Amino acid sequence: NAGVTQTPKFQVLKTGQSMTLQCAQDMNHNSMYWYRQDPGMGLRLIYYSASEGTTDKGEVPNGYNVSRLNKREFSLRLESAAPSQTSVYFCASSEVQDYRGYTFGSGTRLTVV
Amino acid sequence: RKEVEQDPGPFNVPEGATVAFNCTYSNSASQSFFWYRQDCRKEPKLLMSVYSSGNEDGRFTAQLNRASQYISLLIRDSKLSDSATYLCVVILWGDSSYKLIFGSGTRLLVRP
Repeated sequence: NAGVTQTPKFQVLKTGQSMTLQCAQDMNHNSMYWYRQDPGMGLRLIYYSASEGTTDKGEVPNGYNVSRLNKREFSLRLESAAPSQTSVYFCASSEVQDYRGYTFGSGTRLTVV
Repeated sequence: RKEVEQDPGPFNVPEGATVAFNCTYSNSASQSFFWYRQDCRKEPKLLMSVYSSGNEDGRFTAQLNRASQYISLLIRDSKLSDSATYLCVVILWGDSSYKLIFGSGTRLLVRP
């Protein structure tokens, strides 16, 4: 099925550990996004990539890095995880000409202890 | 001030009721608007776009008031399956892409 695939679905980290969240889309979309969702805060944009080879900061980029590996893949890295990064992370993709908004992945539930 | 504000609810309504949600946005440059639906522990999914002239999709009606910078969603004849969180979304366009700005959502509970 066409869509956005995120891995892993669940992860528990210890404070200070690092990890990379993976995201891949097979819809040939140019733009990809990483959001985090916390209770009462809605979805907040961490980083986005308007096209292959470009990345830009969103609303809450501190503590994260991203890599647009190719057109399909956009990864999010936590270099030194902190409890404040406990959240649900969603990857999404879109096409500028498509006014239907984003297609989201199913999310990664991350707990930092 | 949040860019997109919604009443978090929950709105608790009986089956068959009509319920309306409002959403306000602060950036007058916002150019496009959506309502997304999010089920518990799932990803958000597009419910409908919002057009200036207002639009309907079955039991759902969306309205936009640019002058007052608010968006509304009306659900008629509520079903149990309508229970979810409804996210108001505005688009900000850049040179080669766009960003969606999400409200924190309004939770709807439809009871038998």
